[in-house]
Amino acid sequence: NAGVTQTPKFQVLKTGQSMTLQCAQDMNHNSMYWYRQDPGMGLRLIYYSASEGTTDKGEVPNGYNVSRLNKREFSLRLESAAPSQTSVYFCASSESQGAGNTIYFGEGSWLTVV
Amino acid sequence: GENVEQHPSTLSVQEGDSAVIKCTYSDSASNYFPWYKQELGKGPQLIIDIRSNVGEKKDQRIAVTLNKTAKHFSLHITETQPEDSAVYFCAATWDNYGQNFVFGPGTRLSVLP
Repeated sequence: NAGVTQTPKFQVLKTGQSMTLQCAQDMNHNSMYWYRQDPGMGLRLIYYSASEGTTDKGEVPNGYNVSRLNKREFSLRLESAAPSQTSVYFCASSESQGAGNTIYFGEGSWLTVV
Repeated sequence: GENVEQHPSTLSVQEGDSAVIKCTYSDSASNYFPWYKQELGKGPQLIIDIRSNVGEKKDQRIAVTLNKTAKHFSLHITETQPEDSAVYFCAATWDNYGQNFVFGPGTRLSVLP
């Protein structure tokens, strides 16, 4: 059982380049999320998709776009990468939002922007 | 909105000792408090959670306590083992479709052999 799978695991970008992080879950979950993790700042929500067909901004959405391609897949796009976007990115999913739901995380994507 | 603080940011204990990590939250509407463990190079995984109608919950060597009045909750790990070394995150949310989790900044626990 794969759970949440995200690719690529490592990426180095030059400032101004674009890229898409791919994410897929096989748990038939309704809600999906993209977080970034920076030292001392925990997990900050970039964008989320409460259900198929919907997407919403989280705490730190600037510089990112998302697409909920279908129930399984939720991608994150950096249109013009900046050094401030150097971070570890986690895709996650849950049955639904709110209390009582377990969030399942992927293994992370390490992105460096030079 | 909700704000979650977590202390300490780093914690070192001797193997076999106990470890305690404390989180405080700001929104009294929050009623669900999970704890996640992140091992090196992995994504966070849920290890225990507690709802606001319960004061304490235990699962083998780990326990979580909640003080609603003071708006804080704590993770207790007893008889620590080297495999407990990881980063631990607390989080808070409440019963409302559309409400996302707010995570604390994390605590790096090192269990020294």
